[in-house]
Amino acid sequence: NAGVTQTPKFQVLKTGQSMTLQCAQDMNHNSMYWYRQDPGMGLRLIYYSASEGTTDKGEVPNGYNVSRLNKREFSLRLESAAPSQTSVYFCASSLREGQGLSPLHFGNGTRLTVT
Amino acid sequence: DAKTTQPPSMDCAEGRAANLPCNHSTISGNEYVYWYRQIHSQGPQYIIHGLKNNETNEMASLIITEDRKSSTLILPHATLRDTAVYYCIVRVPKSGGYNKLIFGAGTRLAVHP
Repeated sequence: NAGVTQTPKFQVLKTGQSMTLQCAQDMNHNSMYWYRQDPGMGLRLIYYSASEGTTDKGEVPNGYNVSRLNKREFSLRLESAAPSQTSVYFCASSLREGQGLSPLHFGNGTRLTVT
Repeated sequence: DAKTTQPPSMDCAEGRAANLPCNHSTISGNEYVYWYRQIHSQGPQYIIHGLKNNETNEMASLIITEDRKSSTLILPHATLRDTAVYYCIVRVPKSGGYNKLIFGAGTRLAVHP
């Protein structure tokens, strides 16, 4: 089992460019998440998908869109990148959200720099 | 969700037990205590969680005080690979919606030879 796989590992964008961060999990988990981690800010939730076919905003959704492509894959799109979106992005998954308290399993992150 | 307080840093000698404290004095009766760690340049890793009783798994033990206002994560035989930032989080089960997971600053554990 690979767990949660994120691509790419590193990316540099110019302001205004767009890109999609990919995430896939092979644990048959129902719920998936996108977080960003900035120095001194901890991890902040951008979007989550409690189950296939549903997505919801987290704490900091502005400037991002997501797609739950199928049960395995959850992508994060930056339509017009801004320097404030320079961060490390983590995808995570859990067996279920809502009633469950399943632990989150994280990928190893995408380090994004917007110049 | 209850807030947690952890010391910013701790040291531990390799092979000794590492005891990481966490204060969650405002915890509610149905809030669970979770521990995650983050090794440099990697994603957070789940360690253990509990509600009232002490818990043990292959990675660590979790000791929760009887009043549930504090807990201790114990790594019984710390190795250099346990050097990481350790996060103590409280989380309430909620029917529907998202169970917010708030990562604070954590404790930076340094294990030295």
